[in-house]
Amino acid sequence: DVKVTQSSRYLVKRTGEKVFLECVQDMDHENMFWYRQDPGLGLRLIYFSYDVKMKEKGDIPEGYSVSREKKERFSLILESASTNQTSMYLCASSPLGTLYNEQFFGPGTRLTVL
Amino acid sequence: AQSVTQLDSQVPVFEEAPVELRCNYSSSVSVYLFWYVQYPNQGLQLLLKYLSGSTLVKGINGFEAEFNKSQTSFHLRKPSVHISDTAEYFCAVSLTTSGTYKYIFGTGTRLKVLA
Repeated sequence: DVKVTQSSRYLVKRTGEKVFLECVQDMDHENMFWYRQDPGLGLRLIYFSYDVKMKEKGDIPEGYSVSREKKERFSLILESASTNQTSMYLCASSPLGTLYNEQFFGPGTRLTVL
Repeated sequence: AQSVTQLDSQVPVFEEAPVELRCNYSSSVSVYLFWYVQYPNQGLQLLLKYLSGSTLVKGINGFEAEFNKSQTSFHLRKPSVHISDTAEYFCAVSLTTSGTYKYIFGTGTRLKVLA
């Protein structure tokens, strides 16, 4: 059974803290994605990666960075968390040929920044 | 600019009744179309997708969708819903524009099935 796992389901952090969200997939997928999900806004792409050490900005990259040192792992970093980054964060992966392939999602991390 | 519109943010329906969740897209290039479902406290999972061929696509859990190119729509239907279908449903398109790959999600429709 294909699996995308995220390091935490719920996370509470304070304003100004550095936050790491980890995502691991066991499907040997080339592409990995980070989205944030907010009510009424759907899913918005933060960053994606199509290979190890490669990354591309999505629609809302400000305030975030990413790291992909190994094929199976894609990390999202909030350098200095702010309250407007309180959200649900979803990680996804897909194989090559992204246009016609589905994305496989993790369960999400609900982050609250106080 | 490309976009995906889900007109209904919430759809309440009684158990065993039919349901249609609407999705319209805007794009000047060819697209591939997807429907995902998100059950409470879970990630998204694929319901069905349209790549080419027959415009009527069947998915999991008795759902189907019809691609209508002239109306740029990809509405999701189920003839008889169950309580367990209560979830949020997302329409998505994938396309390339100016050499850049894009995967665009709609804002979601929350389906509430009532007993």
